[in-house]
Amino acid sequence: NAGVTQTPKFQVLKTGQSMTLQCAQDMNHEYMSWYRQDPGMGLRLIHYSVGAGITDQGEVPNGYNVSRSTTEDFPLRLLSAAPSQTSVYFCASSRKDRISEQYFGPGTRLTVT
Amino acid sequence: QQQVKQSPQSLIVQKGGISIINCAYENTAFDYFPWYQQFPGKGPALLIAIRPDVSEKKEGRFTISFNKSAKQFSLHIMDSQPGDSATYFCAAIYSGAGSYQLTFGKGTKLSVIP
Repeated sequence: NAGVTQTPKFQVLKTGQSMTLQCAQDMNHEYMSWYRQDPGMGLRLIHYSVGAGITDQGEVPNGYNVSRSTTEDFPLRLLSAAPSQTSVYFCASSRKDRISEQYFGPGTRLTVT
Repeated sequence: QQQVKQSPQSLIVQKGGISIINCAYENTAFDYFPWYQQFPGKGPALLIAIRPDVSEKKEGRFTISFNKSAKQFSLHIMDSQPGDSATYFCAAIYSGAGSYQLTFGKGTKLSVIP
């Protein structure tokens, strides 16, 4: 099992550019989520999904879009990047009845200039 | 509103010492409290977890203590080793139906020096 994979590992964007962070898992987990990690701020939930076709907002959803067309994939879209979105982004997955036991990907470090 | 407060922000402990990280929560609906460990450049990984009907849970050198009346819980790392140097996050969740958000503390960076 590859677990949770994320691409790319690093990305630099200019303000206003768009991009998609990719996330995939091979554990057949219903629940998938996106977090951002900033120094001193811990992990903040951006969006989550409890199954294909179902998504919902977390604590900091503004500026980000998600969709879930398959169980395996949960991409995060930045439509118009801003410097405030400079962060490390983590995707995670778990069984829907075990949200406390999330498996995290290796992260994507995004810099917006 | 910060629902899970974690302290200290950073901690330096001598090898062989005890590392103690504290967390406090506000939402009494929370009923499951996991701890995550994150090494530099990696994603967090589940370390240990506890329910509030248990006052203490031990796994190897890691122990969670829980004080339900005070709404506080803590992680103790006994005989701390340099390999324990990492960032630790406490978290809380209501495990009932329809609850899908894990709330994290802001993290504690632990450095264990030889």
